[in-house]
Order: sequence, then structure tokens, then C-alpha cells
Amino acid sequence: DIVLTQSPGTLSLSPGESATLSCRASQSVSSNSLAWYQHKPGQAPRLLIYGASSRATGIPDRFSGSGSGTDFTLTINRLEPEDFALYYCQQYGTSPFTFGPGTTVDIK
Amino acid sequence: QAQLVQSGAEVKKPGASVKISCKTSGYRFTSYPIHWVRQAPGQRFEWMGLMDAGNGNTKYSQKFQGRVTITRDTSARTAYMELSSLRSEDTAVYYCARGNWNYGDYWGQGTLVTVSS
Repeated sequence: DIVLTQSPGTLSLSPGESATLSCRASQSVSSNSLAWYQHKPGQAPRLLIYGASSRATGIPDRFSGSGSGTDFTLTINRLEPEDFALYYCQQYGTSPFTFGPGTTVDIK
Repeated sequence: QAQLVQSGAEVKKPGASVKISCKTSGYRFTSYPIHWVRQAPGQRFEWMGLMDAGNGNTKYSQKFQGRVTITRDTSARTAYMELSSLRSEDTAVYYCARGNWNYGDYWGQGTLVTVSS
């Protein structure tokens, strides 16, 4: 199985700052099939990015994804209060489709 | 906009089975697969399997093969996930998600399943 590692585990930032989240895969992710989700407790996960860099429908352009192969990045510019949440990456190129352990972005 | 609404929380004894429903609306049900994913307390999300909602074909994670069954009722626009031989480690929040390629673009709200004697 492809193992995903996310760093840092927690990112403490203030509104208006930028966040850079990393996702690293144990082997190359097929066709850059990498998604990012935002998750708040008690809510449904929300798709942010698919195909490593394509924003999902309705996602603000302050969210951007980049990377290829084994190294991927989610960048959130100008953090808004509603952006403080958990963020997960998922590779969906090779079954079983696996997830990273998550990065918490919390308010400093 | 697609919506997926799951059935309510369940408490089960070890060895029992649980069947969770996922009622969809806002899109053509048979045009997209349905994935099932779970998250145990303090653990990462774990993909369990998927079903082609058009023809009912399924693909399961090897970890759950033999214990999980995903089905659908196309007239009710509803997918189901049944997990058998439950053990305490199956205590988790279970999610359905509409598949787009193999990622989930819309997710249900989650169903807590507690396995306890």
C-alpha cells in the first residue's frame, strides 16, 4: 500500500497568514492522483483539490495545490477564520486508496 | 448540488453486523460510483471499497474483503454498506462519498458505529 506522510502535524497561524502543508508518498502517485480535503469535527469532509492541482467546484482561489511524483503541497493564502481545520491528503491512483494522517491548522 | 445523507448512529455487539444507508439527491445516481471510507478514533481515514452505482459492480479493499458488502437500490437512489463479524476495532465513523474518478467529491455526514459488549 502507498503510505502518505503529512507535515507538519500542527500549524499554528494567525488569520491573514499563509499555510504550507506537505504530503509525501512512499512511492510515486500514479498520474498525480492526489486529492486534498478539509475536515471539521462533526461535518462531512470537503474536497479542495484533485489531480494534485485542480481546485474543486466552489473552492476559493486562496487554496492551491502543487507537486508531482511523491511530493505534494497544499498552500492556503490569506487564512480566513473558517480555514482553521484539519487537512488530509489522499492518493487515489493505486488501490487501496490511502490517506495521510492529517495536518491541523489552528489559530495562533 | 449533490447531497448524501446517511443513517443514524448504531451500537452493536461483537460478532454482529451493521448496515448503513446513504441516500443521495441532486445528481444522477447511476452515473457516479459510491465509495465507503471510515475513520476510527485517532486514526487516519481508511478506504473500504466502492460500487459502480450504474451496474452494481464492487471493488473492496483487501483488508475488508469477505466482511464488507456494498449494495444499492437505484429506485431509492440509496447505497448501503454492510460490515459483518464486528469487533471493537470497527468502532469508527463511516462515510459514504460520491466518487469522481477515485476521489470523493461529495461526502455524507458520517455514521458513528460503536462496537461494544
